[in-house]
Amino acid sequence: GAVVSQHPSWVICKSGTSVKIECRSLDFQATTMFWYRQFPKQSLMLMATSNEGSKATYEQGVEKDKFLINHASLTLSTLTVTSAHPEDSSFYICSARDPRGLGNQPQHFGDGTRLSIL
Amino acid sequence: GQNIDQPTEMTATEGAIVQINCTYQTSGFNGLFWYQQHAGEAPTFLSYNVLDGLEEKGRFSSFLSRSKGYSYLLLKELQMKDSASYLCAVMDSNYQLIWGAGTKLIIKP
Repeated sequence: GAVVSQHPSWVICKSGTSVKIECRSLDFQATTMFWYRQFPKQSLMLMATSNEGSKATYEQGVEKDKFLINHASLTLSTLTVTSAHPEDSSFYICSARDPRGLGNQPQHFGDGTRLSIL
Repeated sequence: GQNIDQPTEMTATEGAIVQINCTYQTSGFNGLFWYQQHAGEAPTFLSYNVLDGLEEKGRFSSFLSRSKGYSYLLLKELQMKDSASYLCAVMDSNYQLIWGAGTKLIIKP
């Protein structure tokens, strides 16, 4: 079964709306979670690394004031897209680093959130 | 800089075998991973290599040569459901995953 839950799976909203996406690790504590964005026919682009209890680390070119990340507990990280515009429409995917060992899957992925801004 | 190269697109026939190559240059190496991603879905884990050699898992096998900075994913007995993008990722010295752009595999009947 899924070990990382991402919600919602699909969002359609008007331009200017803020949208919050949740990422939960279900059976392990994730001190580190990752947020990716993927545009059609392109690969995953890491947006930021979310660390429990501290500020997120953003990749170059990602606006931290627009994409707010909160990792207040060991099982939950949230990404808020503030004042979303049509160009923010994309597929957002979270993943959580599994501390139980790097032997196999280093990260477990959520199912993704498809965000469409009208 | 860090770089992972894989072909953009490949086409193969149902029932055949296909090999998807990946070359990498990264700051350190803590393993190479292959993921499968169907359109509109999140990636799913396929394989992990940290030592040189071949890892076999059913119809899928993955090979690694650390000295050459090279890996391949081998898919046998191709099925239509194997049509997807295949992502190569390397874990660097900071245990961060560096992703390739993905190879779109098209299976024809």
